[in-house]
Amino acid sequence: AQTVTQSQPEMSVQEAETVTLSCTYDTSESDYYLFWYKQPPSRQMILVIRQEAYKQQNATENRFSVNFQKAAKSFSLKISDSQLGDAAMYFCAYRSAEGGSEKLVFGKGTKLTVNP
Amino acid sequence: EAQVTQNPRYLITVTGKKLTVTCSQNMNHEYMSWYRQDPGLGLRQIYYSMNVEVTDKGDVPEGYKVSRKEKRNFPLILESPSPNQTSLYFCASSVFRGPWSEQYFGPGTRLTVT
Repeated sequence: AQTVTQSQPEMSVQEAETVTLSCTYDTSESDYYLFWYKQPPSRQMILVIRQEAYKQQNATENRFSVNFQKAAKSFSLKISDSQLGDAAMYFCAYRSAEGGSEKLVFGKGTKLTVNP
Repeated sequence: EAQVTQNPRYLITVTGKKLTVTCSQNMNHEYMSWYRQDPGLGLRQIYYSMNVEVTDKGDVPEGYKVSRKEKRNFPLILESPSPNQTSLYFCASSVFRGPWSEQYFGPGTRLTVT
C-alpha cells in the first residue's frame, strides 16, 4: 500500500519570504500523480498543484512550485512571496494511475503560519 | 456553478442514533467517495463508488454504509454512531479514469457523537 509522509507538523514563514514544505511517499508503482491541497480555516479542500510522475519537469502555479524527485520519492512544495492568505493546513496526496483508481492517499498535513 | 454539496454542515448527535449525511454533485461525475479527517491523521477514505449501484470499501469502512442509487447522490449512513466517529467528513467527486481528473471536495461536515 502507498503511504505519504509529511515530516513537518507545523511551519512558519514571514510574509514575503519563501517556505518549503516537505513530502515523501512510498510506492512500488511507476505511474502516479501527486498533489498538494490547501485547507484554510474554512475547511474547504483546495487543489494547489499537481504533478504527473512521468513528467520530469516540475509543476508551477504562480507562486507555488514543486520539487519532484522521483528516485528519492520526494515531492516538496515551495511557496514564494508568502502572503497572509497562504496560512492554512497543507496536505500532500498520492493517486495511482494504474487500475483506474481515483483514491487519494493523504499525508498527515503541515500547518503553515504566515507572520506579518 | 459546479459544486459538491453536503448536508448538514454541522451535526451533534448521541451514541446509537442513526444518521445520514447527504452528498450531491452537479457535474455528472461517475466517481464519488467519502473521507474522514482526524487531527494528526490526515484524510482517509471510507467508501467510494465508481458509478450507480457500484460501491466499495476504502481504508476505514467500519461503522459506515453508503448507497449510490442516483449518479448525483452518495449518502453516508451511520446506523449506530459511536464517539470514535466524531470527525470531519468530506465527500468528493471526479470524472472516473480521466488522466486529468481532479477530485472536487464538498465543504465538509463536522460530526460530534456524544
